[in-house]
Amino acid sequence: QKEVEQDPGPLSVPEGAIVSLNCTYSNSAFQYFMWYRQYSRKGPELLMYTYSSGNKEDGRFTAQVDKSSKYISLFIRDSQPSDSATYLCAMSEAGNQFYFGTGTSLTVIP
Amino acid sequence: DAMVIQNPRYQVTQFGKPVTLSCSQTLNHNVMYWYQQKSSQAPKLLFHYYDKDFNNEADTPDNFQSRRPNTSFCFLDIRSPGLGDAAMYLCATSGPRREQYFGPGTRLTVT
Repeated sequence: QKEVEQDPGPLSVPEGAIVSLNCTYSNSAFQYFMWYRQYSRKGPELLMYTYSSGNKEDGRFTAQVDKSSKYISLFIRDSQPSDSATYLCAMSEAGNQFYFGTGTSLTVIP
Repeated sequence: DAMVIQNPRYQVTQFGKPVTLSCSQTLNHNVMYWYQQKSSQAPKLLFHYYDKDFNNEADTPDNFQSRRPNTSFCFLDIRSPGLGDAAMYLCATSGPRREQYFGPGTRLTVT
């Protein structure tokens, strides 16, 4: 079983839709949770960072962590064509190793 | 205000010809990472440094080496690139909060 599972998609939504992206994980020691956006042929860009459980909001983006279910989510409100990218979840314990999902490919159709 | 810088952005090398990729950071983070990413895959950790302490992943081929002469700079050396080493190479850093920041990547082509 992989440490982190993420549905690869692809996911295609109309402009303005609410997008929900999810990852599950198996290691209950994970404490640090991140979402990255990666455009084609570019490096991953850190979108959201959460420590431990709870919600975090930044503009159109909301990250949720449910440690009891070992489940994290990223919501994108009022999705735009510029949101079309691959979204990677990543997580870490207290050490220096990060564990990544395989990424979900999102297309927002104008 | 670039935080993690990688050079070059694109590198073409011949089969078996050594190549060096470079990374620098302005974040003053203790930890620096090198990842390999192939199309539609998650980044795969090659190695990381905690300060000067080098940590090699068990499945990283010997063909890949790294140097970190100081806090700001880190290099990836591929001694004898094969066709299978064509990929995006990503440098990243992390600090005390465990946020990880990536550079723009170097896309390596092996001919």
